[in-house]
Amino acid sequence: EADIYQTPRYLVIGTGKKITLECSQTMGHDKMYWYQQDPGMELHLIHYSYGVNSTEKGDLSSESTVSRIRTEHFPLTLESARPSHTSQYLCASSGTPTYNEQFFGPGTRLTVL
Amino acid sequence: RKEVEQDPGPFNVPEGATVAFNCTYSNSASQSFFWYRQDCRKEPKLLMSVYSSGNEDGRFTAQLNRASQYISLLIRDSKLSDSATYLCVVNTNGGSQGNLIFGKGTKLSVKP
Repeated sequence: EADIYQTPRYLVIGTGKKITLECSQTMGHDKMYWYQQDPGMELHLIHYSYGVNSTEKGDLSSESTVSRIRTEHFPLTLESARPSHTSQYLCASSGTPTYNEQFFGPGTRLTVL
Repeated sequence: RKEVEQDPGPFNVPEGATVAFNCTYSNSASQSFFWYRQDCRKEPKLLMSVYSSGNEDGRFTAQLNRASQYISLLIRDSKLSDSATYLCVVNTNGGSQGNLIFGKGTKLSVKP
């Protein structure tokens, strides 16, 4: 079982607030990812990191930002939340050298009013 | 053409049935392939990695056809607990540096 954690699990917040979604993994994985998924829809990669001080934008444009100061920690920040940011945010990590299997955290369900 | 395409379903089957899901991918350079399972409002969980020409894990068999760029998942003797969405996933750039591309998923509902 993968050890990857996300907090909070659920967040309801008003428009304009700054929020940070936390993601931590205890497996020492170099690669970490953030996905966004709306109900019944496919996953979209919004950010990824291949190691400390490495961050890249994913396929889906997002107003969020990420940082990777420590291997185990990959937080996602929204400076000013809007209703269009309402979604589920899933963090994942991968440590396999060849096949790149990813293991997911339980997700944060964000609702912006 | 989408990079990873799956039949969206839903597949409604009785308990004990055998069900097969198909998936096609567009990037011939793809090197690794996976099936994930996602329950409603939960995170995706790795079900199987698909190696070389395919592999089996209990009631689940995954097949890979590189020439046709086609992956399948066969579930035998389906259980109520198999009800979920099954995601076909491809590592597009090959090797460890590629990112995963997720299909939209095929929904399976197993009925008593």
